[in-house]
Amino acid sequence: GQQVMQIPQYQHVQEGEDFTTYCNSSTTLSNIQWYKQRPGGHPVFLIQLVKSGEVKKQKRLTFQFGEAKKNSSLHITATQTTDVGTYFCAINTNAGKSTFGDGTTLTVKP
Amino acid sequence: DSGVTQTPKHLITATGQRVTLRCSPRSGDLSVYWYQQSLDQGLQFLIQYYNGEERAKGNILERFSAQQFPDLHSELNLSSLELGDSALYFCASSVALGQRGGSGVYEQYFGPGTRLTVT
Repeated sequence: GQQVMQIPQYQHVQEGEDFTTYCNSSTTLSNIQWYKQRPGGHPVFLIQLVKSGEVKKQKRLTFQFGEAKKNSSLHITATQTTDVGTYFCAINTNAGKSTFGDGTTLTVKP
Repeated sequence: DSGVTQTPKHLITATGQRVTLRCSPRSGDLSVYWYQQSLDQGLQFLIQYYNGEERAKGNILERFSAQQFPDLHSELNLSSLELGDSALYFCASSVALGQRGGSGVYEQYFGPGTRLTVT
């Protein structure tokens, strides 16, 4: 089945610094989703990307889907303490199978 | 609040036992997913049901089984429990399978999880 590699596993930043997490696949993806899981919480859907080269923004978060649709990134500008958590990318197929990346855990030092 | 409910919230049991985890999807959602999340681990997809039928299987052990009932709630049964089965078990629901305006699958809404501890 489809696999997705997510890096880095951990990222520690000072408040105000930027943060980026990357997801890479060896195969072309039809879509990719991003989720955030706060400590002690459950994953929450952030966004879905579908088109080659697509870029979407949500306030300080920028999501990109690569031109070849084999990679994706989530970039947070000027991190805040409320951004802490684990960010997952996910691949879902119409057949119902779901594959999540291992996640990037972000800690923000005030 | 995602609208997905899971019970119980916590479960402590002994090795060799059998437990049942329950999930009620969001109103109107036909699709239910089950995931296992071990400590500091990612989300492992176990199984997915759509409108009462099994649609996809992931890394689900033979000791585990699930079903979705006519009222769309789902149960995950874990038997012959081992220490390594201790984990958070999440259920998620989505509206449907298939294309959303041609753009792909639907987003998933996760429940709060059931924390299973096997001693």
